Amino acid sequence: DTGVSQDPRHKITKRGQNVTFRCDPISEHNRLYWYRQTLGQGPEFLTYFQNEAQLEKSRLLSDRFSAERPKGSFSTLEIQRTEQGDSAMYLCASTQRGQPEKLFFGSGTQLSVL
Amino acid sequence: QQQVKQSPQSLIVQKGGISIINCAYENTAFDYFPWYQQFPGKGPALLIAIRPDVSEKKEGRFTISFNKSAKQFSLHIMDSQPGDSATYFCAASKGTGGFKTIFGAGTRLFVKA
Repeated sequence: DTGVSQDPRHKITKRGQNVTFRCDPISEHNRLYWYRQTLGQGPEFLTYFQNEAQLEKSRLLSDRFSAERPKGSFSTLEIQRTEQGDSAMYLCASTQRGQPEKLFFGSGTQLSVL
Repeated sequence: QQQVKQSPQSLIVQKGGISIINCAYENTAFDYFPWYQQFPGKGPALLIAIRPDVSEKKEGRFTISFNKSAKQFSLHIMDSQPGDSATYFCAASKGTGGFKTIFGAGTRLFVKA
């Protein structure tokens, strides 16, 4: 098991385009979290799943953002009609049953909106 | 408002010295206080963590000191090494909130050889 995997590592897009990121958590980790990190700041919580259920969404997550975790395995984060303010590192993390407080992060997807 | 405030923003320490990073929190419902280490191009990695029922936890060269009454905790890195140069984030979470972790803004540590 190689840890949390995120794809792509980098994404450059034009304003108004839609983008989708994928996260593969550590196998058998039941919770999956999405965070956003801008330059010089700590990660900010966006949303999390327990198995396939999305249990909480941050107010930071506008209607243009949607996340899914079909079958409780990998997750996707889609941003529609991207804006320049969406430029950030999007981090995925997972936690294992019994230790829900210990986040294991992937290396993130760096999004640049031109 | 759930918030975690971290200081300093940046820190330069000589090799072999002690690095100290401080953090303050507001929500007394938090019950887990981790420190994460992040290298450029990587996601944060859990370094060490403490729960509020103890005042200190040590793992190798890393120590967390926790002051529940002051709502403050700090990370001490003893015998700092150039390989410790990274960004450090304090954080806090609570079990009743799905362990949604709130992060500080980070401290960029540079250890001079």
